Amino acid sequence: AQTVTQSQPEMSVQEAETVTLSCTYDTSESDYYLFWYKQPPSRQMILVIRQEAYKQQNATENRFSVNFQKAAKSFSLKISDSQLGDAAMYFCAYRRYNNDMRFGAGTRLTVKP
Amino acid sequence: GAGVSQSPSNKVTEKGKDVELRCDPISGHTALYWYRQSLGQGLEFLIYFQGNSAPDKSGLPSDRFSAERTGGSVSTLTIQRTQQEDSAVYLCASSLVRENNSPLHFGNGTRLTVT
Repeated sequence: AQTVTQSQPEMSVQEAETVTLSCTYDTSESDYYLFWYKQPPSRQMILVIRQEAYKQQNATENRFSVNFQKAAKSFSLKISDSQLGDAAMYFCAYRRYNNDMRFGAGTRLTVKP
Repeated sequence: GAGVSQSPSNKVTEKGKDVELRCDPISGHTALYWYRQSLGQGLEFLIYFQGNSAPDKSGLPSDRFSAERTGGSVSTLTIQRTQQEDSAVYLCASSLVRENNSPLHFGNGTRLTVT
């Protein structure tokens, strides 16, 4: 079974600073997809960034970027120039080809003004 | 266009009662997912529907839980003889299964409280 592990239940960052959230996963597949979702207090799940496993280049979306290490099965999220609106729960997710998506337990990010 | 719609948004029920939670996916999305999120916790996979294929029910925690998807669109999650540990937010999501990098689009969830 595929499992996703987020080892940091809580993280804190100063506004305008950079923070990295960790994620590791366990799989025997070679073709899969990885995602980071954000869940603010409103409960709405929002896609932050996604990465195809066959792509070596790390995905980037504005202030959000990933460090994808396929051999290490690691998929960390870096948030640059943190903003107060970035405060939320962040979930790492894994999706095998034509299958459902599995999520980690989440990391609660606090942004200090 | 319209997103994933879930109803009710909140449901309070007495222990032992049955409840039905409804999910309207985005039109054209062939994949539909149910997750459970307990207070402050991650998302626990429950069930996955993909087109006309048999659903993946491997995440259902007990036989009190069941789900169906009629006409490849609307889905209903039913919990029979509810227990207090069933209290959680139940999230539904849909996606384009043809595109495996397609993200899941989530509804706002149903918060179930069993008293």
